[in-house]
Amino acid sequence: QVHLVQSGAEVKKPGASVKVSCKASGYTFTNYAIYWVRQAPGQGLEWMGWINAANGNTKYSQKFQDRVTITRDTSASTVFMELSSLRSEDTAVYYCASITGTSADWGQGTLVTVSS
Amino acid sequence: QSVLTQPPSASGTPGQRVTISCSGSSSNIGSNPVNWYQQFPGTAPKLLIYTNTQRPSGVPDRFSGSKSGTSASLAISGLQSEDEADYYCAAWDDRLNGHYVFGTGTKVTVL
Repeated sequence: QVHLVQSGAEVKKPGASVKVSCKASGYTFTNYAIYWVRQAPGQGLEWMGWINAANGNTKYSQKFQDRVTITRDTSASTVFMELSSLRSEDTAVYYCASITGTSADWGQGTLVTVSS
Repeated sequence: QSVLTQPPSASGTPGQRVTISCSGSSSNIGSNPVNWYQQFPGTAPKLLIYTNTQRPSGVPDRFSGSKSGTSASLAISGLQSEDEADYYCAAWDDRLNGHYVFGTGTKVTVL
C-alpha cells in the first residue's frame, strides 16, 4: 500500500526557492517513479516532472526545465522537488504521486504561496 | 498548456448518463494508455480508470472508460450526487519524450 506524506505549507517571496519533500512508505521505494504535479487556484493539473527512484534519472516538463530540480534520498525513502526563481504565478498546491500503468497514489498536497 | 482537450463542463440529473471526451494526438492517446482521475475540491486526485478501460478496486462500475484512435471517453452511468467533481484524463506523450500530460479538466454538475 503506497503512502506518500508531503511537507507542510510554505510562504515564499518572489525570487526565492522552495523545496518540498515527499516521504514514501508501504512499498519498496526504488520500485516506482515519483511524479510532481501542481495545481494553481481554480486551475487544472499540471505535470512538472518525475524521478526514477531507483537510479535518480529525471525528466522535466519543458515549462519548468530551467527552474525545477527533483532529487531523492533512498536512505530516507524521500523525494524532493525544488522550484527556484519563484513568482506569484507559482502559487499552487504541489502534489507528489506514484503513477504506474495500473495505479496512482498521491500525497496530500503542499500549498506554496508566493507573495511579497 | 494542456495537450489533451476536454469540455469544461458537463451535467445531468440523477440517474442519467454523462459522457466526457478527451481529445489528443497520435503521440499521446494514439499510442499510450489513458488514465482518468476524479478530484473533489481541496483533495488530491483519485485514479478512476487506468489503461483506457480498467477500474481500480473500489471504483463503482457505473464509471467506464473507452478509447478510439486519438480520443478517449469517460462515461458515468446512473449519475449520483456524489459524482459531482472535476475529472481529468491523462496520458504519456512520446513526442514530448515521455512527459505525462493532463487534460484540461471537466466539471461535472449533478442538477
